[in-house]
Amino acid sequence: AQKITQTQPGMFVQEKEAVTLDCTYDTSDPSYGLFWYKQPSSGEMIFLIYQGSYDQQNATEGRYSLNFQKARKSANLVISASQLGDSAMYFCAMREGGYGGATNKLIFGTGTLLAVQP
Amino acid sequence: EPEVTQTPSHQVTQMGQEVILRCVPISNHLYFYWYRQILGQKVEFLVSFYNNEISEKSEIFDDQFSVERPDGSNFTLKIRSTKLEDSAMYFCASGRGAGGAVADTQYFGPGTRLTVL
Repeated sequence: AQKITQTQPGMFVQEKEAVTLDCTYDTSDPSYGLFWYKQPSSGEMIFLIYQGSYDQQNATEGRYSLNFQKARKSANLVISASQLGDSAMYFCAMREGGYGGATNKLIFGTGTLLAVQP
Repeated sequence: EPEVTQTPSHQVTQMGQEVILRCVPISNHLYFYWYRQILGQKVEFLVSFYNNEISEKSEIFDDQFSVERPDGSNFTLKIRSTKLEDSAMYFCASGRGAGGAVADTQYFGPGTRLTVL
């Protein structure tokens, strides 16, 4: 079974509007972390935001916020006031806590390609 | 701001040749990782390295792969005999190592694009 599912292969948004990129996850670990990364066309992976499974509040980092709905196992990324430079591939990833300590690996979804239109 | 660096940015090699991909992690980080991304596909974990030994590896990381931290700054991935299917972007990442906690963010380098002909 897919541990991280991103159902939107591609999204369009108008400049200055907000956009939500979906991510659902599957884990039986009570402790886990969820991460979003941005991959521009140049290829590098840029860390955007982190949400822990025990965090009471949704994470925010500037124009990025995470809509964390634990019961639904979703961790959607919201980008407010989109800019042309936001056009990129966005990956959701998870790190599981494990019962003997956190595993090291990040498990990635397939990504969503966001295009911001002027 | 400190960042992970990788060299070379592109590497073209013949099938069966050995390649070494190099990374300089962020200086105060303790955990080091390699991931790969085949063109158009998702990023896949290869291996993690801590305290001079492999702490976890995936099934992709077979006997053809090895990692090394030859000095205090470099972290390398070696592929002994490259195959066509090894063509991918290889990312190095490092993390500060917050006691193995799930919150430890992994910071990625810009990647090395490996093409095996």
